[in-house]
Amino acid sequence: AQSVTQPDIHITVSEGASLELRCNYSYGATPYLFWYVQSPGQGLQLLLKYFSGDTLVQGIKGFEAEFKRSQSSFNLRKPSVHWSDAAEYFCAVGSMDSSYKLIFGSGTRLLVRP
Amino acid sequence: EADIYQTPRYLVIGTGKKITLECSQTMGHDKMYWYQQDPGMELHLIHYSYGVNSTEKGDLSSESTVSRIRTEHFPLTLESARPSHTSQYLCASRVNGELFFGEGSRLTVL
Repeated sequence: AQSVTQPDIHITVSEGASLELRCNYSYGATPYLFWYVQSPGQGLQLLLKYFSGDTLVQGIKGFEAEFKRSQSSFNLRKPSVHWSDAAEYFCAVGSMDSSYKLIFGSGTRLLVRP
Repeated sequence: EADIYQTPRYLVIGTGKKITLECSQTMGHDKMYWYQQDPGMELHLIHYSYGVNSTEKGDLSSESTVSRIRTEHFPLTLESARPSHTSQYLCASRVNGELFFGEGSRLTVL
């Protein structure tokens, strides 16, 4: 079955500390992977995506993610967190077939300590 | 960058009312989607469309219906709202493999 697992429901980090959000997926075909961020009361904004090529992808706001096929993972990282990064983060997997359905994880809520 | 507009942003209504959530996009994208999101939960696809006069049900069963008469509009309708329909509804369109989301419509049915 196709699924996305984000094992951490909440993560709290201090401002300036590094961050890693975990994402594991189960997908039958070649996965296309995404990280989205959602601020309270807002829609989702794309942080970065992986389709092919270099397994380390750079995104907006200083985020990066690494695709590891052997571990079925696509973890999101940031070297130094800012208070404005506090939000909900969603990992998603999909394919480029005609329906292009994205399967989302349940999200990780990031809290940032001053 | 795609512009996706959803109205209303917030709606509180009584049981049995008919409601329509509007979604429009200005970029001429063919593919559009409706997701349902409960608090603290993942997004579930409830409807999608490949273009005008094309609509399909998503992975999560929903009593809502959609229509796609024009490329830019993809409204979602509930004929008789119930408290179980209380949720956030997110509309999105797709271009170059990327989904662009609206800000969502948060529906509360009393």
